[in-house]
Amino acid sequence: DIQMTQSPSSLSASVGDRVTITCRASESIGFYLNWYQQKPGKAPNLLIYTASTLHSGVPSRFSGSGSETDFTLNISSLQPEDFATYSCQQSYSIPFTFGGGTKVEIK
Amino acid sequence: VQLVQSGGGLVKPGGSLRLSCEASGFTFSSYSMTWVRQAPGKGLEWVSSISGSGSHISYSDSVKGRFTIARDNPKKSLFLHVNSLRGDDTAVYYCARGGTGGAVGRNNWFDSWGQGTLVTVSS
Repeated sequence: DIQMTQSPSSLSASVGDRVTITCRASESIGFYLNWYQQKPGKAPNLLIYTASTLHSGVPSRFSGSGSETDFTLNISSLQPEDFATYSCQQSYSIPFTFGGGTKVEIK
Repeated sequence: VQLVQSGGGLVKPGGSLRLSCEASGFTFSSYSMTWVRQAPGKGLEWVSSISGSGSHISYSDSVKGRFTIARDNPKKSLFLHVNSLRGDDTAVYYCARGGTGGAVGRNNWFDSWGQGTLVTVSS
């Protein structure tokens, strides 16, 4: 199985900050890396698919990059509604594994 | 696009449940569908996926042989039959829409999710 490792597991940031979350795959997954945002008690929402494609309706302050084993989710200017947990997921091979999540908290 | 879940609840170890997910707003048979779960305070875990036609099914090792995924395309419904439940199956279970084309393949990012249903396994 492909292991997905996110870092950090949590971070504190202020509104307006630039935030970077990384996701590393245990083997090459090409660009088959997807990012989700989840708020407490709610279902996840797709943000980015295939490493860098912004899902419909997602604000442009979110961006993704990377390939093979190393990927990054960036939030260019953190907004109050962005405080949430972010998870990566590989869709390269079954089982479709998720990272452990990164909780973005208010500083 | 809407996915509305039902089922779930409190069940004793060894017990069974059927989770349901009713879809609307899209051509159901054209998409693969997936179940993902989340144990309390934990991350997301892929459970099972089924192709649009129902001909291709995959399970995680942790549920293989105990859970059965199924779909009824005319009724636009997805199911997860969960049997031989254990304490570590306690989680919120989500249904999610996968890739277009209906295959369980590399375009399986999950762009629509149900609201989730809690399964609690406890004596």
